[in-house]
Amino acid sequence: GESVGLHLPTLSVQEGDNSIINCAYSNSASDYFIWYKQESGKGPQFIIDIRSNMDKRQGQRVTVLLNKTVKHLSLQIAATQPGDSAVYFCAEISLPNAGGTSYGKLTFGQGTILTVHP
Amino acid sequence: EPEVTQTPSHQVTQMGQEVILRCVPISNHLYFYWYRQILGQKVEFLVSFYNNEISEKSEIFDDQFSVERPDGSNFTLKIRSTKLEDSAMYFCASSEDRVREKLFFGSGTQLSVL
Repeated sequence: GESVGLHLPTLSVQEGDNSIINCAYSNSASDYFIWYKQESGKGPQFIIDIRSNMDKRQGQRVTVLLNKTVKHLSLQIAATQPGDSAVYFCAEISLPNAGGTSYGKLTFGQGTILTVHP
Repeated sequence: EPEVTQTPSHQVTQMGQEVILRCVPISNHLYFYWYRQILGQKVEFLVSFYNNEISEKSEIFDDQFSVERPDGSNFTLKIRSTKLEDSAMYFCASSEDRVREKLFFGSGTQLSVL
């Protein structure tokens, strides 16, 4: 069955360091992988996504790496700041069936708590 | 920046009571969703809604749950007879298109069933 899980439930880093958050997934049919950030008292916020036919995608201070061979996804945050402290979720999605009414299903992982110390 | 808004932020109810959670999605979005997050657990999909009908629902979304878009701006989740295990944070989300990798989430309603 489908499952998306995280290797590390917590990660503490010093301000300015680079952070790497990892995720394992089991559904090889997923079309997209997404990272969400959830700050205290707020809903998940989209950070970056990657298509399954890519192995790397860069955003502003963030990079997502996808290794389909070992079904592993990671989020790298450069020069981590205190404002990056949050829970980070990976999620996967399978696209809707072509021509059908079925919608892709977004499946979230467990979450990693990132704490950035000044 | 446009955002999804949810009310109330906290809802306390007695077991067996009906609750309605309210959401105002982003105005030009066409696809609407409810997710929930039990404390310490994953965010779980409940239901998606498009063109005034349910597009997809999970096993969690049983007959006690219903959704409605009563007007052009609101999207509601109703739980007819709440159970203790319904206690969770409920998130509304919306998206422009049916590929859901870019969902915009509200801040959630914390539902506590006593």
